[in-house]
Amino acid sequence: DTEVTQTPKHLVMGMTNKKSLKCEQHMGHRAMYWYKQKAKKPPELMFVYSYEKLSINESVPSRFSPECPNSSLLNLHLHALQPEDSALYLCASSQDVRVPYGYTFGSGTRLTVV
Amino acid sequence: SQQGEEDPQALSIQEGENATMNCSYKTSINNLQWYRQNSGRGLVHLILIRSNEREKHSGRLRVTLDTSKKSSSLLITASRAADTASYFCATARNTGTASKLTFGTGTRLQVTL
Repeated sequence: DTEVTQTPKHLVMGMTNKKSLKCEQHMGHRAMYWYKQKAKKPPELMFVYSYEKLSINESVPSRFSPECPNSSLLNLHLHALQPEDSALYLCASSQDVRVPYGYTFGSGTRLTVV
Repeated sequence: SQQGEEDPQALSIQEGENATMNCSYKTSINNLQWYRQNSGRGLVHLILIRSNEREKHSGRLRVTLDTSKKSSSLLITASRAADTASYFCATARNTGTASKLTFGTGTRLQVTL
């Protein structure tokens, strides 16, 4: 299995809703990442998990809450989002944060906040 | 920001022609990677070049890296319509606890028949 699977593919949520994005990989990768991408812009790093521990938080607002329940799963919990948070949310994994390998990306979740 | 700049922002060529994209960055790096993205979906890793390498090939792809000028180029030879996509360079830099991958602004490539 050489894929990163993200669910759901599309999500529309109100500003008072709570929702979660899910990411799963079975490649044995020990590093997982969340990126946010606005239209016609490059992906921007949000969080880095290494061996299930949060290594980097790029000053992301607390309405985004990451969670890594085990080495194969990464969640992003969403609460009280703003319309400007609408974007494509990409999950990625790599073998190890300390080793120079390429990342494997999921297809993303397109989030719309209304 | 250490985000890289890419040029051109957009490139339109005919099938069979070569496409060259350039990337410049600001800080020291461990490696530089190139990714392709189709229609705003997931990114696909194309090639990685380490900071002590100058050139690398993979199929129709050729990547160069000049660390003294903080620049890289991606050459796609004999382009095909299926190469139509956005291409991003990404620089990897160690922060102590982890390696951060930061993406450049991207080049939108259109290959016409």
